[in-house]
This record gives sequence, structure tokens and C-alpha cells, in this order.
Amino acid sequence: NAGVTQTPKFRILKIGQSMTLQCTQDMNHNYMYWYRQDPGMGLKLIYYSVGAGITDKGEVPNGYNVSRSTTEDFPLRLELAAPSQTSVYFCASKEPGTGEHTQYFGPGTRLTVL
Amino acid sequence: DAKTTQPPSMDCAEGRAANLPCNHSTISGNEYVYWYRQIHSQGPQYIIHGLKNNETNEMASLIITEDRKSSTLILPHATLRDTAVYYCIEGRSQGNLIFGKGTKLSVKP
Repeated sequence: NAGVTQTPKFRILKIGQSMTLQCTQDMNHNYMYWYRQDPGMGLKLIYYSVGAGITDKGEVPNGYNVSRSTTEDFPLRLELAAPSQTSVYFCASKEPGTGEHTQYFGPGTRLTVL
Repeated sequence: DAKTTQPPSMDCAEGRAANLPCNHSTISGNEYVYWYRQIHSQGPQYIIHGLKNNETNEMASLIITEDRKSSTLILPHATLRDTAVYYCIEGRSQGNLIFGKGTKLSVKP
């Protein structure tokens, strides 16, 4: 299994541009999550999904959108990039039937907005 | 915001046990304590979790006090590869994790 994969690894955007961060997991996990991590800080939850077709907001959803059309994929969309969205973005998924909060994380996408 | 309290940094000699403390005095009776770590520039990695009893797996041991207000993560023989930020997290609904700033553990030769 590849686990949780994220693309791209790095991206530089100009203010006002849009992009989609891709996340795919091959573990058949129902739950998937998007976090962002600013320098020197812990992760903050942006959006999460408990299954295909179901998404919900986390702690910091403003400026982002998500969709979940399949179990495997959970893309994160930035419509109008702003410098405040410069961060490292992590996608995670949760294995059904195990501990409630045992999440598996991808390697992250480093985004810079200039 | 995170409701756990951890020291910002700790040092440990290679080969010795690393004991990382965490206070979670407001934890609810049915909430687990989870430990994750984040090696530089990587995604967080699950280590261990527990409710009341002490737990051990291939990575670490978790000691939870009887009143559940604090816990200690033990890495029995720390190596240089254990250098990372360690997060102690109270389990919440929907599986969401609330990360604080964690403890930066530096394992030194």
C-alpha cells in the first residue's frame, strides 16, 4: 500500500490564483481530513469527510473548499489564494474499526502565496 | 484550542529512556489520550493511545495516572531518529485531532 499520497509536494502561487491540492489513500478509509500547519505551530483542521459525498468544516475552513466523490480521493481547493494561506498542508485518513483518532498522514504540500 | 500542556522542549541522551510528560486535567471520562510525533518536514505519525490502563507497543509505552489528569510517553531506548516534536492529544468527537505545539525532543549522541 502507498498509504496517503499528496500532490504536489511544493507550489508557489500568486495572490488571487487558484489551485487544487490532491490527496489519495489506498487503505479504504472512510474518514479523511485536511490540516494546515503554520511555522512553529501545531496542525489545524480545515475540513473533514466521513465518507463519499459527506464533508464538514473544521476549525479554519474559510478560503477553502472540498469535495469527496470517491472513497479514495479528497481534494482541497483554494479559489483566491492569499498570503495568509502560505502553509504546509497535510491530508490524513482514518482506519475503520481502530482507535477513534488513529490517523495516517500524507507527506504534506508546501504552499507559498506571494 | 488544545487542552493539553506539554513542556516546549526536552533533551535526551542516545540509548537512554526519554520520558515525555503531558497534563490533561480537563479530560473527560470517555476521552482517550493520543500521542503522535512529527519528524522534521514530515506528516505526523501515530505512536500510541490509552484510556485508563498503561499501554505498550513496539514504539513506546504510555503511563496514565490513576486520576487521568496526566500521562507520560516513554521511549525506552531513544535513538537519533527519535528526534521530533511529540504531541499529546485528547481524543474528541468525529475523530478530529486538536494539536498543540507539542514537545520538541532532541536526542543527542
